[in-house]
Amino acid sequence: QQQVKQSPQSLIVQKGGISIINCAYENTAFDYFPWYQQFPGKGPALLIAIRPDVSEKKEGRFTISFNKSAKQFSLHIMDSQPGDSATYFCAARGGGSNYKLTFGKGTLLTVNP
Amino acid sequence: ETGVTQTPRHLVMGMTNKKSLKCEQHLGHNAMYWYKQSAKKPLELMFVYNFKEQTENNSVPSRFSPECPNSSHLFLHLHTLQPEDSALYLCASSQELNTEAFFGQGTRLTVV
Repeated sequence: QQQVKQSPQSLIVQKGGISIINCAYENTAFDYFPWYQQFPGKGPALLIAIRPDVSEKKEGRFTISFNKSAKQFSLHIMDSQPGDSATYFCAARGGGSNYKLTFGKGTLLTVNP
Repeated sequence: ETGVTQTPRHLVMGMTNKKSLKCEQHLGHNAMYWYKQSAKKPLELMFVYNFKEQTENNSVPSRFSPECPNSSHLFLHLHTLQPEDSALYLCASSQELNTEAFFGQGTRLTVV
């Protein structure tokens, strides 16, 4: 019930291409869905986040698409760059007084020059 | 830098050793967290402190002992660890419990 399933585990994209990472959840009480970016040797950093009352959020080259009925959300990275190479984690927050984040297992993105 | 500093960055310890991980945040946040990050597994929340009071212990073995002397500092005391405890230990802080969390760079722990 508390799991967030993330796919793919790893992804290789050519420079300029679109990177797409998907997450699915079961708990309809989740009320906040952030994506984190983690570079080697660094801690995760918040990249972009969405709430379930909107279907899409865009910040620069990064877009979250949210499908409430399917209980799925995805991260799209447009015009992917080698500097985007990192591990990406989706997460979901419990909702209400439950502040805890449930994380996906992560996707290692490699953008080839 | 995110304003959350962890020391040491790397630690190798034997199973009979006692060591401590330190976390300091310069953001004026009220909540602090310890997470465990293992390869191919989701981040695992270990402990949560809010205004220096522990609000969450996520069934963590007693060989991990947290301490929060004030809202800016968080420690994780380690003793008689097992090799499976080897992981990246991440500290995070947030203004309130349900606001954005900022992570430190982590301590890479290896238990031999």
